[in-house]
Amino acid sequence: ETGVTQSPTHLIKTRGQQVTLRCSSQSGHNTVSWYQQALGQGPQFIFQYYREEENGRGNFPPRFSGLQFPNYSSELNVNALELDDSALYLCASSYGTGQYSPLHFGNGTRLTVT
Amino acid sequence: QKEVEQNSGPLSVPEGAIASLNCTYSDRGSQSFFWYRQYSGKSPELIMFIYSNGDKEDGRFTAQLNKASQYVSLLIRDSQPSDSATYLCAVNMIANQGGKLIFGQGTELSVKP
Repeated sequence: ETGVTQSPTHLIKTRGQQVTLRCSSQSGHNTVSWYQQALGQGPQFIFQYYREEENGRGNFPPRFSGLQFPNYSSELNVNALELDDSALYLCASSYGTGQYSPLHFGNGTRLTVT
Repeated sequence: QKEVEQNSGPLSVPEGAIASLNCTYSDRGSQSFFWYRQYSGKSPELIMFIYSNGDKEDGRFTAQLNKASQYVSLLIRDSQPSDSATYLCAVNMIANQGGKLIFGQGTELSVKP
């Protein structure tokens, strides 16, 4: 069974730039959720994708956008980067959108904005 | 009031002792509850999930849920130094958005040899 994989592992960007993070879901999983985790805090929900459509969004501005592809992999795009966007970005996959499907996280992408 | 609250710790216990981690949540309609372990610099790893009132045991771990009092706890028996990590409590509050978990800020556990 292949777990959730994310790329890249680390990324350094300059304020105002754009970034794309990628995620491959665990085999058998069709739903992908993205989280942002600032240092010393719990992860915060950004959005979830199911059947290539956004299915729920947290309190993040529109410059955070995403995609899901037919093979269930997903991208997180962040435009006009701000210093506060520096965080660990986590992708999690699950089967379906029900509340009884535990999330399994990838290793994350550490984004630093300077 | 935060939606999911945990004591930030650090909680320090001697090796072999029982570690007790607690979590309270605000939405009385919440149905599913999860405990994740996160080592420093790593991603969260699912330890336990619980949906019904009462206790659920898995090896050295026991999750306890009390929906009337809106709290969920995690007990770790025979604590080992390798259990030293931050433990995150997560709650799902929206039935058809299972991916939307509300996390507490985590409790740091330190197990001393």
